[in-house]
Amino acid sequence: GAVVSQHPSRVICKSGTSVKIECRSLDFQATTMFWYRQFPKQSLMLMATSNEGSKATYEQGVEKDKFLINHASLTLSTLTVTSAHPEDSSFYICSARGSEWETQYFGPGTRLLVL
Amino acid sequence: GQNIDQPTEMTATEGAIVQINCTYQTSGFNGLFWYQQHAGEAPTFLSYNVLDGLEEKGRFSSFLSRSKGYSYLLLKELQMKDSASYLCAAMDSNYQLIWGAGTKLIIKP
Repeated sequence: GAVVSQHPSRVICKSGTSVKIECRSLDFQATTMFWYRQFPKQSLMLMATSNEGSKATYEQGVEKDKFLINHASLTLSTLTVTSAHPEDSSFYICSARGSEWETQYFGPGTRLLVL
Repeated sequence: GQNIDQPTEMTATEGAIVQINCTYQTSGFNGLFWYQQHAGEAPTFLSYNVLDGLEEKGRFSSFLSRSKGYSYLLLKELQMKDSASYLCAAMDSNYQLIWGAGTKLIIKP
């Protein structure tokens, strides 16, 4: 299957700081990238969908000013958690797909801990 | 509304066979995906069905019935490493994935 990388894999930060997470499709061009959040022992929750070159579409209840998404190229999307708080601590996972009918492939995830 | 139902948890014995069912209701349908997720890791793609019938891939098989809104994932010759959550996801008419909550599969020796 296609390869999606995420960086960093783990980050610990102080409350009030901003954290940027990168998601890259390594061997294909990702027209669409997705950002998910998963709390322990809970199911995946889609946060937003981003198409290359356009603004991200956020799911209901997800603050677009807090979770900034940029999808500037066909191989890179970034999620910035601004002014992070302890309740933002979670497992953030990106996925990417080439075209609409293709499979979504997931990155390995980023574990964020806000102290 | 759109909905995916799958059992919360199942238990099976090493070497046995287990079938994980999934029913879906979506606005339009563009296929059914199964993913495996080990604890603490991201999901990995297992299978995709868009036509009725059984798709076999090694020890894993996936079945789809579009008329019944039903799919199952069949795991044969279970190994301890198959202990994981199995996520069912249906793609709607907008090519968005609607996710089930996942089935936690526990394998006992």
